[in-house]
Amino acid sequence: SAVISQKPSRDICQRGTSLTIQCQVDSQVTMMFWYRQQPGQSLTLIATANQGSEATYESGFVIDKFPISRPNLTFSTLTVSNMSPEDSSIYLCSVALTTRNEQFFGPGTRLTVL
Amino acid sequence: TQLLEQSPQFLSIQEGENLTVYCNSSSVFSSLQWYRQEPGEGPVLLVTVVTGGEVKKLKRLTFQFGDARKDSSLHITAAQPGDTGLYLCAGAKVTGGGNKLTFGTGTQLKVEL
Repeated sequence: SAVISQKPSRDICQRGTSLTIQCQVDSQVTMMFWYRQQPGQSLTLIATANQGSEATYESGFVIDKFPISRPNLTFSTLTVSNMSPEDSSIYLCSVALTTRNEQFFGPGTRLTVL
Repeated sequence: TQLLEQSPQFLSIQEGENLTVYCNSSSVFSSLQWYRQEPGEGPVLLVTVVTGGEVKKLKRLTFQFGDARKDSSLHITAAQPGDTGLYLCAGAKVTGGGNKLTFGTGTQLKVEL
């Protein structure tokens, strides 16, 4: 397994501003993922972030809205740009550590946009 | 479109009762995982099943992978309040998945004293 931390744990932001969420892993990993989750609901994959290449975005998510950085094998950031109340959600990062695609998650960042 | 449908969506039971959660799909998966998530935390991996028909036990939890690797079930015996949480199944595609997981729709379980 891996120990994954996220910052901030929660934030309340104003419409039109941007927030950068950090994800730190205690070991080097190739594959990192960013998800969005409404409380009590399932996870929606935003993008896959591999070190050394550009992030791969899922349908409905674009780089201008959710830019991602992956400067090394232990760290990634997700920025939520030009936020609106519809961006209020929980944002989770995860890493894949095994050949069976098992993923280990950070504690999440709860974002509220006013 | 959610490829993995879980049922029931919500379940509220008394301590000591048994329950089963189902995870169904029309797609074949190379493996299927079950996660439990508590409020304010990320999902935590409970088990991975790989072989069609495989059964795994984790204390009071029994997981089964369907013979055709399209569905799975989670059975909890003598539920306890500590079992409360959001249960998510997740499948890894046979090919072309790029290490991504497809998550199920989720089952919110509440176990009361």
